[in-house]
Amino acid sequence: KAGVTQTPRYLIKTRGQQVTLSCSPISGHRSVSWYQQTPGQGLQFLFEYFSETQRNKGNFPGRFSGRQFSNSRSEMNVSTLELGDSALYLCASSTGGWSEAFFGQGTRLTVV
Amino acid sequence: ILNVEQSPQSLHVQEGDSTNFTCSFPSSNFYALHWYRWETAKSPEALFVMTLNGDEKKKGRISATLNTKEGYSYLYIKGSQPEDSATYLCALWGNRDDKIIFGKGTRLHILP
Repeated sequence: KAGVTQTPRYLIKTRGQQVTLSCSPISGHRSVSWYQQTPGQGLQFLFEYFSETQRNKGNFPGRFSGRQFSNSRSEMNVSTLELGDSALYLCASSTGGWSEAFFGQGTRLTVV
Repeated sequence: ILNVEQSPQSLHVQEGDSTNFTCSFPSSNFYALHWYRWETAKSPEALFVMTLNGDEKKKGRISATLNTKEGYSYLYIKGSQPEDSATYLCALWGNRDDKIIFGKGTRLHILP
């Protein structure tokens, strides 16, 4: 069974630009959540989508947004990039609720 | 707001020795506590999902316990092996604001 796929794996953007990251969940999983990992901060929860609806949201500015499609694939968008947005962005899929999450390998975003 | 603390931050253990580390949290207002293992250059991998006070889970040489009344979970590794070298994360699924809170992890190094 295919795992969670994130694209692209690496990305370099300039301050002020916007970026879209993609996450394809495990087949049959309807929940997709997104996390930001920066050195010293650990994994920070961004948001969770379930059946195309945002169910939960972490404490991030409105520049961070996401959506989920009918096939459960999800995208995360960051507008007006700042240097501090440089991080590893992970997505995870699950069957929902608090069931175990399966993580993708992440997208490493560098903002210059 | 849930605050998840993990200790120690880093741990060096001789191969063959057993070890344990802690995840602590101030209240029992959560749906579930998860433990993940995150090896370098890989994705976080779920170890256990725990929901009830007194829960004990085991997978091979690794086991975990949960005490919701006193606000902690222990992860035990018996007879450490080189492949156990990783960062171990715990995460809480909150039931008040439905946020997912990760601890900063315990970085385990197994010494040959």
